[in-house]
Amino acid sequence: NAGVTQTPKFQVLKTGQSMTLQCAQDMNHEYMSWYRQDPGMGLRLIHYSVGAGITDQGEVPNGYNVSRSTTEDFPLRLLSAAPSQTSVYFCASSYGDSLAPLHFGNGTRLTVT
Amino acid sequence: DAKTTQPNSMESNEEEPVHLPCNHSTISGTDYIHWYRQLPSQGPEYVIHGLTSNVNNRMASLAIAEDRKSSTLILHRATLRDAAVYYCILRGFSSGTYKYIFGTGTRLKVLA
Repeated sequence: NAGVTQTPKFQVLKTGQSMTLQCAQDMNHEYMSWYRQDPGMGLRLIHYSVGAGITDQGEVPNGYNVSRSTTEDFPLRLLSAAPSQTSVYFCASSYGDSLAPLHFGNGTRLTVT
Repeated sequence: DAKTTQPNSMESNEEEPVHLPCNHSTISGTDYIHWYRQLPSQGPEYVIHGLTSNVNNRMASLAIAEDRKSSTLILHRATLRDAAVYYCILRGFSSGTYKYIFGTGTRLKVLA
């Protein structure tokens, strides 16, 4: 069982470049979300999805786009990278009820120069 | 959005119990209290959750106040491997949203 898989593990971008961070889960979880974690800080919610075709904004959505075309995948797109988006990005998933634990991926470390 | 408040940091001696507090005064009746921990250079991992009653599992115990406005994660015998950032979050349908806000958590330092 792979759990939550994030790719790539590391990425360096130049300002203005675009890229997509991939997140896939094989647990048939309805709920998926993206967090960013800046050095020495806590996790901040970017976007989340409660099922295929349904997405919503979190605490810090600006500069990021998401879509959920399948249950398994929840990619995060940076349309025009900025140095302020340098961070570690974590994807999480769970069943839709409040009892279910969140399962996290191992993160993608992104540096924007 | 429901929010939680935790101390920034705590210290404990190895082999001693640790009580990590969390305040959640705006909790609604349908919110579950979840605890996660994040070891260095890893993603957060689930520790325990509860609604009203105290809960125990192999990792920890969760004590929930009678009015549910606060809770305490109890590590019965801290080890060096328990050094991590501990997050308390609320999961439920308060305000009809699924925004699970983690905050900054409590950084636990375990002294040998």
